[in-house]
Amino acid sequence: GENVEQHPSTLSVQEGDSAVIKCTYSDSASNYFPWYKQELGKRPQLIIDIRSNVGEKKDQRIAVTLNKTAKHFSLHITETQPEDSAVYFCAASNPGGSYIPTFGRGTSLIVHP
Amino acid sequence: DAGVTQSPTHLIKTRGQQVTLRCSPKSGHDTVSWYQQALGQGPQFIFQYYEEEERQRGNFPDRFSGHQFPNYSSELNVNALLLGDSALYLCASSWGQGTGTEAFFGQGTRLTVV
Repeated sequence: GENVEQHPSTLSVQEGDSAVIKCTYSDSASNYFPWYKQELGKRPQLIIDIRSNVGEKKDQRIAVTLNKTAKHFSLHITETQPEDSAVYFCAASNPGGSYIPTFGRGTSLIVHP
Repeated sequence: DAGVTQSPTHLIKTRGQQVTLRCSPKSGHDTVSWYQQALGQGPQFIFQYYEEEERQRGNFPDRFSGHQFPNYSSELNVNALLLGDSALYLCASSWGQGTGTEAFFGQGTRLTVV
């Protein structure tokens, strides 16, 4: 089955800096890669996703890049703000598995004011 | 639209007992997936229900079972509870078995087994 590795487990940055979270996956058939943000005590919420037919996607301060050859994808957050502090999860899924996402272990992002 | 709702929000059970958790999907969604999230971990897939049948199952023992009703709501049952079953149980709803569309999560049920 799919295996998703996520790094780092904890990331501490100063407000205004950029943050990068990296994930690798094992199943070359995976073609949908969502990223979720989970604030303390709240539900995971989708913040951005990318499909295998594109290499990069941006939404304001958030961007995701995908390298299918290397089987890795990354989340980039620019101009970080304290409200970006949360746990971020990457996931990978494929149609053969009914798009059931396999999640990484999460990255705790702390943005210091 | 209330989104995905789960009940109860918190639950304390004793080892060996049985528990039932409930989930109502987002309006327009027909697929419900259940996840277990241990502290400091990502959500682990338990199973998915679509058209009142279990369609996919993760690596969880038979003590974990479920049901989906005609109105698409779902239950997760766990028998013979173990201390290791303590976790946040998340329900996610989507349309048409996922098909690469966004899954919306509920707030979760925090289960503590003592």
